Amino acid sequence: DTGVSQDPRHKITKRGQNVTFRCDPISEHNRLYWYRQTLGQGPEFLTYFQNEAQLEKSRLLSDRFSAERPKGSFSTLEIQRTEQGDSAMYLCASSYSGRAFDTQYFGPGTRLTVL
Amino acid sequence: GQQVMQIPQYQHVQEGEDFTTYCNSSTTLSNIQWYKQRPGGHPVFLIQLVKSGEVKKQKRLTFQFGEAKKNSSLHITATQTTDVGTYFCAGLWNSGGSNYKLTFGKGTLLTVNP
Repeated sequence: DTGVSQDPRHKITKRGQNVTFRCDPISEHNRLYWYRQTLGQGPEFLTYFQNEAQLEKSRLLSDRFSAERPKGSFSTLEIQRTEQGDSAMYLCASSYSGRAFDTQYFGPGTRLTVL
Repeated sequence: GQQVMQIPQYQHVQEGEDFTTYCNSSTTLSNIQWYKQRPGGHPVFLIQLVKSGEVKKQKRLTFQFGEAKKNSSLHITATQTTDVGTYFCAGLWNSGGSNYKLTFGKGTLLTVNP
């Protein structure tokens, strides 16, 4: 399977704990995105990488959130001191910037539940 | 901020009936993309519309982009149970070089009664 993969698929944690999610994009894709989706809503943009550079962060991304893409391949999203409001599906997507309007391919997501 | 409004929020149809979902932006879009998300699944890319007035077809699905590039629609002819899911439009605005940040509508959940 050469699609976007995410790990873990599900995470249950207690409020105040730190969690980290991983995303492996499609191998030739240089762009990587993180989105958050809550029930009944569309995905909301969180942050974007081109290669290893984080080029944009949404206002939704508080200081408790940090994302990295150290070698321009996989990415991690860490949430520190989780809150119940962080419960959501965290989606990763990747694309190739060689086209004028690139198509984003989504991974299966990590569903986070904060108790 | 930039946003896309999508209606209806829900649509229940009998198998064989047609279905349409509409997407609207208050400002001109660079392009619009459509995704389908099955229950419990992740968004899957369907199509991208770029040109004013563009119409694209995929079997029973017809996608349109308005002349002013502010609205779009997805029409499914003769729905089948396999069409069940949430259909999202996602807009791109080419302002400030941000030609990558998709803004999704809230989606239309389609259910089909066999």
